[in-house]
Amino acid sequence: QQQVKQSPQSLIVQKGGISIINCAYENTAFDYFPWYQQFPGKGPALLIAIRPDVSEKKEGRFTISFNKSAKQFSLHIMDSQPGDSATYFCAAIRNAGGTSYGKLTFGQGTILTVHP
Amino acid sequence: ETGVTQSPTHLIKTRGQQVTLRCSSQSGHNTVSWYQQALGQGPQFIFQYYREEENGRGNFPPRFSGLQFPNYSSELNVNALELDDSALYLCASRRGQPLRVDGYTFGSGTRLTVV
Repeated sequence: QQQVKQSPQSLIVQKGGISIINCAYENTAFDYFPWYQQFPGKGPALLIAIRPDVSEKKEGRFTISFNKSAKQFSLHIMDSQPGDSATYFCAAIRNAGGTSYGKLTFGQGTILTVHP
Repeated sequence: ETGVTQSPTHLIKTRGQQVTLRCSSQSGHNTVSWYQQALGQGPQFIFQYYREEENGRGNFPPRFSGLQFPNYSSELNVNALELDDSALYLCASRRGQPLRVDGYTFGSGTRLTVV
């Protein structure tokens, strides 16, 4: 099954706090897990991504934690800022082989609001 | 600037009509994918083109069709529009084969409303 489940649907955080968004997948053929940020009226933009052979990846204030055995991964936004207010999507993709390669499977999205 | 331009930005059509959405990619971006994003949902993969040939399709009926042109532009056509086709339609393109997602650039989308 190709489903990716994301939680929570919405999240409110105070400025300077930590935002945590979780995702779970079922298809063990997925081999690349990106996170996208989408502002109103814009298309998704790649934020950070991880491969399943790595347990954690950090870029600035954004960190992905990956648990291969549990088939779960999460996005942590440290020192959250009002400018981070957006919708965040996790996704999974099979990067090579088969008829579904190159196809992004997205989670349902999390609306993040960071209060000043 | 994202480098991927979609037109029109908004569109209202009547049920049963046909619609063509357009996407203009950066020079050299020979892989293009189309996604449908319903309100409050994540994007759903419609299909993908590489070098003007379809090489992947999601769970969408045949009335969703596409074309990719040598000038790095592409089209999404939807026939016999239904109310449930109302959504944001996103185009994403990249240079080279569709083997790595980190090269994809999304456009801002076309908001289609079917009444």
